[in-house]
Amino acid sequence: AIQVTQSPSSLSASIGDRVAITCRASRNIGTDLAWFQQKSGKAPELLISASSRLQSGVPSRFSGSGSGTQFTLTIDSLQPEDYATYYCLLNYIEPFTFGQGTRLEI
Amino acid sequence: QVQLVESGGQVVQPGRSLRLSCAGSGMILRGLHMNWVRQAPGKGLEWLALISFDGDIQHYADSVTGRFTISRDNSKDTVYLQVNSLTTEDTATYYCTTSTFDKWGRGTLVIVSS
Repeated sequence: AIQVTQSPSSLSASIGDRVAITCRASRNIGTDLAWFQQKSGKAPELLISASSRLQSGVPSRFSGSGSGTQFTLTIDSLQPEDYATYYCLLNYIEPFTFGQGTRLEI
Repeated sequence: QVQLVESGGQVVQPGRSLRLSCAGSGMILRGLHMNWVRQAPGKGLEWLALISFDGDIQHYADSVTGRFTISRDNSKDTVYLQVNSLTTEDTATYYCTTSTFDKWGRGTLVIVSS
């Protein structure tokens, strides 16, 4: 299975800050990576697919980039509703692999 | 409202089995590849299994291969996850999700405890 390393595991930031979360794959996966947001007690929500494709309804302050083995989720101008846990998912080939998660807090 | 609905979660003793179900509400599952994902309390997401739209192809996480079985009944528009030989480490919320991961259910909670 392809391994993934997501960092940081937690991140403290303020309203209006710009933050970045990274995922590194153990081998080239092209752009087969997705990003999810999960709030406490809720199911995950898909933010970005194919590394950089923003899902309908997701604010434009969210963006994704990267290809190959290195990927980044960037959130510009943090809003109160952005405080959550974020996961990447490598969906290049089965078995798929989620990152360990990044808890974003004030 | 288009959504997925999981069911079948309960408190079970170690060593027992369960069958979890996933049905569509306002959406049709036949024609879609489907996944199961779980999340232990306070832990991260773990992808478990995928089944093709016709049920002919299944893939599993290494951690559950041989113990979990994903299947579907397209006549009932339902996807299943058979979970056997349960241990306390299988305690989690189990989610079904579409192949593109853009729709998720609310999950069903499995608690393995003696």
